Amino acid sequence: GEDVEQSLFLSVREGDSSVINCTYTDSSSTYLYWYKQEPGAGLQLLTYIFSNMDMKQDQRLTVLLNKKDKHLSLRIADTQTGDSAIYFCAESIRANTPLVFGKGTRLSVIA
Amino acid sequence: EPEVTQTPSHQVTQMGQEVILRCVPISNHLYFYWYRQILGQKVEFLVSFYNNEISEKSEIFDDQFSVERPDGSNFTLKIRSTKLEDSAMYFCASTGGPSDRHGYTFGSGTRLTVV
Repeated sequence: GEDVEQSLFLSVREGDSSVINCTYTDSSSTYLYWYKQEPGAGLQLLTYIFSNMDMKQDQRLTVLLNKKDKHLSLRIADTQTGDSAIYFCAESIRANTPLVFGKGTRLSVIA
Repeated sequence: EPEVTQTPSHQVTQMGQEVILRCVPISNHLYFYWYRQILGQKVEFLVSFYNNEISEKSEIFDDQFSVERPDGSNFTLKIRSTKLEDSAMYFCASTGGPSDRHGYTFGSGTRLTVV
């Protein structure tokens, strides 16, 4: 079945860049998303990328997609303490099909 | 910005009791979903709902679960007889349709604790 894998923890210093990685198994995944979850809160959509794209940039966020290796990454430039959260990678085959999530990467930003 | 609203934020219930989790999706959205997240685990799909019927469900969504859209705004998840393992955060989500490429909008979740 479909699976999405992420490393569980990442710790960076304030001001550095963070790179969160994700791999997925379903080659027919069309939509790939990054969600952020702050403590006790819901899932906030950060950004998304379509499978026909290699890169997407949105302010401090850069998403890179290597479709051949089924590898997705999220880079956060100039990481701030407010970026501390759990980041979930998710994929779906079509716009309204169920999302398959990774376990989430807990990002800790050290001041 | 439009939001998906979930109530209550936290519910404690005794094993065997029925619970109803409530959601108000974004008003012009057409597709509605429930997901759950057991503490420390992945967010898992439960069920999707479109045009007043279930469009897809996972194997987690057994006969103990049901969903309903009782009026034009609410979307509910009922667990008929709760078990300890139903303790989780339950998220409601909605999307606008096939042309809505911006992903799901999730609510803040209901933390269900079964004791």
